[in-house]
Amino acid sequence: ETGVTQTPRHLVMGMTNKKSLKCEQHLGHNAMYWYKQSAKKPLELMFVYNFKEQTENNSVPSRFSPECPNSSHLFLHLHTLQPEDSALYLCASSQEDRDAYEQYFGPGTRLTVT
Amino acid sequence: DAKTTQPPSMDCAEGRAANLPCNHSTISGNEYVYWYRQIHSQGPQYIIHGLKNNETNEMASLIITEDRKSSTLILPHATLRDTAVYYCIALSGYSTLTFGKGTMLLVSP
Repeated sequence: ETGVTQTPRHLVMGMTNKKSLKCEQHLGHNAMYWYKQSAKKPLELMFVYNFKEQTENNSVPSRFSPECPNSSHLFLHLHTLQPEDSALYLCASSQEDRDAYEQYFGPGTRLTVT
Repeated sequence: DAKTTQPPSMDCAEGRAANLPCNHSTISGNEYVYWYRQIHSQGPQYIIHGLKNNETNEMASLIITEDRKSSTLILPHATLRDTAVYYCIALSGYSTLTFGKGTMLLVSP
């Protein structure tokens, strides 16, 4: 398996649920990213991890909690979400988080919060 | 990072060349021009990037004007699968990838 994979591809959850999104990259990259894409809006960067350390958090609400146990895996833990959090959540990876904008994206997880 | 301006939409006939323009008149000397595309309901896909020389790869060609104030992404033989939103982004070494609204390219039979 190559590239960047994300699971699940689709997720429906209630506002009181706790769920996690998983991302795995098979490219040997050192940096991983979470993006959010809401309907009709540009892509928004949420979190950046470089060598497993979080280097950027773009004022994301605490109901989104990232975890990067190693350079190949990235999780986004979700709890007490709101309906407006419904969106496509995309994971990406690159060689480094600076001077390396050649990012490879996964297919995304389509999240619906009811 | 320099602001980029792209037309909101373009049409192209299948098999013809698609030329997608991008204006980046305030680009600074250390900013690269990157192009990505996003096919509907998929993640963005890196296409190509350049600084001042023209670049070509298996997907596309990038033509950057001598003054670097604009560039053109060329898909030499567009196919229906090239229908997507194309993003032009100007980046330096200490910034993050930020996607604007891009150009919606529709390739028709």
